[in-house]
Amino acid sequence: DQQVKQNSPSLSVQEGRISILNCDYTNSMFDYFLWYKKYPAEGPTFLISISSIKDKNEDGRFTVFLNKSAKHLSLHIVPSQPGDSAVYFCAGAHNDMRFGAGTRLTVKP
Amino acid sequence: DAMVIQNPRYQVTQFGKPVTLSCSQTLNHNVMYWYQQKSSQAPKLLFHYYDKDFNNEADTPDNFQSRRPNTSFCFLDIRSPGLGDAAMYLCATSRGGGETDTQYFGPGTRLTVL
Repeated sequence: DQQVKQNSPSLSVQEGRISILNCDYTNSMFDYFLWYKKYPAEGPTFLISISSIKDKNEDGRFTVFLNKSAKHLSLHIVPSQPGDSAVYFCAGAHNDMRFGAGTRLTVKP
Repeated sequence: DAMVIQNPRYQVTQFGKPVTLSCSQTLNHNVMYWYQQKSSQAPKLLFHYYDKDFNNEADTPDNFQSRRPNTSFCFLDIRSPGLGDAAMYLCATSRGGGETDTQYFGPGTRLTVL
């Protein structure tokens, strides 16, 4: 039962432009959402989160938007930098965390 | 630097031969998790310890066991690995286990089953 889905396995963006990573979920019990970033040969690292009572959270170049009625969230990175190239995992949390399969972002110089 | 360490990074075992993966943490976190991640799939939670309390996910096969002898260490034992158990195994920790707790991940151990 895949409760969190990231339907785009990969995304390629030019340096300086906006990256938009999307995530859909089915479990309406999730009350917290997180994005993790993973570089090759490293474990995922926490990037940004949002409570289900909010619709937007911003941290520097990273903004997460939550649309509860659509059960959809997105991560915006602007401006994108080559160092942002990584796999991004979306996760929903309620008692424990459920991850999506990840989206590989490539930012081209 | 406080961190989550997994050894070995790569493990090769034979079909049916027991294998143990290890995880240690210097963060002094209460909770330790084990995830299984197969290629291009989401990390799947196998079980977690809150201190010494063991919490098994309902769909975790009996073939997978875990031990946490102390706060710092947690082990994943696969009693009789099958070809389908080949995956990346991720260990993570968090302070209190609530949904707002950030989880800190180790680099993972990639298990190959021959």
